Amino acid sequence: SQQGEEDPQALSIQEGENATMNCSYKTSINNLQWYRQNSGRGLVHLILIRSNEREKHSGRLRVTLDTSKKSSSLLITASRAADTASYFCATAVNQAGTALIFGKGTTLSVSS
Amino acid sequence: DAGVIQSPRHEVTEMGQEVTLRCKPISGHNSLFWYRQTMMRGLELLIYFNNNVPIDDSGMPEDRFSAKMPNASFSTLKIQPSEPRDSAVYFCASSPQVSREGYTFGSGTRLTVV
Repeated sequence: SQQGEEDPQALSIQEGENATMNCSYKTSINNLQWYRQNSGRGLVHLILIRSNEREKHSGRLRVTLDTSKKSSSLLITASRAADTASYFCATAVNQAGTALIFGKGTTLSVSS
Repeated sequence: DAGVIQSPRHEVTEMGQEVTLRCKPISGHNSLFWYRQTMMRGLELLIYFNNNVPIDDSGMPEDRFSAKMPNASFSTLKIQPSEPRDSAVYFCASSPQVSREGYTFGSGTRLTVV
């Protein structure tokens, strides 16, 4: 079953603009993670935010988590053409021994 | 570390043939995962191992699929017999823990069954 759903499915922006992607999930979680996938490659872990955290930064990435709304957002500031990729949220549900469940992703296209 | 290593990168096989996908996880990672990615269904968890023991194989589509982890540095995913609907990209990932840390993914095996 799909735990996380990203929104929008696709996003096109110009270089220098900010990109915001959202993720909603259904059940309580221990943590939520964001991954990037370039075309034809494996997924790369970007950032992990735990259920007791509200915001986390890593370079140009900012992730927020609202457990009351069961949602998270990923903000990429000052985007670059190299940020063009698919972005996935993955949730670790609050059940011991359960592997990450991935959403279907947001495809981001950054044009120069 | 060279990361998670998967082989082959591409596999084209005829329907009915046996296919074996291979994975070498990162040394010291206790958990290993097999995912399948298709446009229609996204990333689906097939099976995962913890300390070489299969923990959850509920995502394995049917008896044609089997996975083994004979030691901490090697895992295989076998499909026998293969069918066209098995065509997908198969990813192996490893992590120090099941879900409390990030996963490191391999580059995937693109399987085409004709």
